[in-house]
Amino acid sequence: IQMTQSPSLLSASVGDRVTLSCKAGQNINNYLAWYQQKLGEAPKLLIYNANSLQTGIPSRFSGSGSGTDYTLTISSLQPEDVATYFCQQYNSWYTFGAGTKLELK
Amino acid sequence: EVQLVESGGGLVQPGRSMKLSCAASGFTFSNYGMAWVRQAPTKGLEWVATISYDGSSTYYRDSVKGRFTISRDNAKSTLYLQMNSLRSEDTATYYCTRDLGGGYSELDYWGQGVMVTVSS
Repeated sequence: IQMTQSPSLLSASVGDRVTLSCKAGQNINNYLAWYQQKLGEAPKLLIYNANSLQTGIPSRFSGSGSGTDYTLTISSLQPEDVATYFCQQYNSWYTFGAGTKLELK
Repeated sequence: EVQLVESGGGLVQPGRSMKLSCAASGFTFSNYGMAWVRQAPTKGLEWVATISYDGSSTYYRDSVKGRFTISRDNAKSTLYLQMNSLRSEDTATYYCTRDLGGGYSELDYWGQGVMVTVSS
């Protein structure tokens, strides 16, 4: 199942509400996760089952969507949120999107 | 605290073999599926293989089938990836991950990764 993320690069200011998109090639039944990868680090799970917040993740992160279209929202961007964000579907094995690189404006 | 620590990477010539290990701690290893995910330099993430909690079931992406073998030793809380007939396109950082559903779930913990470079 192909996963398409947009945009590939996003520039935003501290305090902005940020929205990242992920589109699946077919219905993935909410079997979608979001990961954050900071430079030089391993990915970290943020959201699973499309909208469930992983333990220990700040509440400014949220996930939504259904069917083929999903969104990760950061309600108020913080400097430590600079990273690349990947979506992953697990409806049929595992495929990842190419990522959205989030930088500060 | 869940910890996953990979080892065994490095430089290897095309066509040769290499075995990666992942030492797990902080959870009951034998209760969880495990997976390897790789990331080529400056590229995205790519699932490689998954093994069920008891090792009875294994799954691979097409490009590594017949060349890679995922296995585990629950007594040692260790995951392995035997890689044979390595190709330049296998060059990547390999991450050990905890796979809650053994092929049907998010990957909730990741190791720091180990670099594998396939080059002559």
